[in-house]
Amino acid sequence: DGGITQSPKYLFRKEGQNVTLSCEQNLNHDAMYWYRQDPGQGLRLIYYSQIVNDFQKGDIAEGYSVSREKKESFPLTVTSAQKNPTAFYLCASSIDRSSNQPQHFGDGTRLSIL
Amino acid sequence: GEDVEQSLFLSVREGDSSVINCTYTDSSSTYLYWYKQEPGAGLQLLTYIFSNMDMKQDQRLTVLLNKKDKHLSLRIADTQTGDSAIYFCAEKEGNTPLVFGKGTRLSVIA
Repeated sequence: DGGITQSPKYLFRKEGQNVTLSCEQNLNHDAMYWYRQDPGQGLRLIYYSQIVNDFQKGDIAEGYSVSREKKESFPLTVTSAQKNPTAFYLCASSIDRSSNQPQHFGDGTRLSIL
Repeated sequence: GEDVEQSLFLSVREGDSSVINCTYTDSSSTYLYWYKQEPGAGLQLLTYIFSNMDMKQDQRLTVLLNKKDKHLSLRIADTQTGDSAIYFCAEKEGNTPLVFGKGTRLSVIA
């Protein structure tokens, strides 16, 4: 089955530590996205990528970094500069950024601070 | 900039119809989406509509679009306990990423 796989489902971070969230898709989609979800805040866009080796900042990129070395993969690193990282992180993909075909979402990673 | 507004909570009795409302600001051609999120899960696409349409129906779901008022609604007929979830309205225009509302939490009372 085609889909988006996020791992791990739960992740814990110590103070001063960088952690990386994995997102893999086998839908052959060009565009991929990372969102952060906090209670009552809806989804806020962190980074997005239209094509391999290209990505753009979203609304809340500070304290995060991404890479897009392969079409299938778009990992998100939460750096120690992100002072409030506790949240639910969602990865999504779509055929391409300009298309109005909908985004498909993974099941999310919940990140907590130890 | 773009903005999408939704009421935060809705409570209905099992078997009744639910109507979840959304307003948006972008006046140019756009697609509008409804997603469902169950606890601890990602977002599941329910349906979407282009702004040149007035209505779209898919089994128990009916989407109504009032372009003049920039108002979108999702009606769920014969609401069941399994429909309890958070429902997100989202808007897309051109090359811009999706803009999401904050979500409406639907509670279904048995």
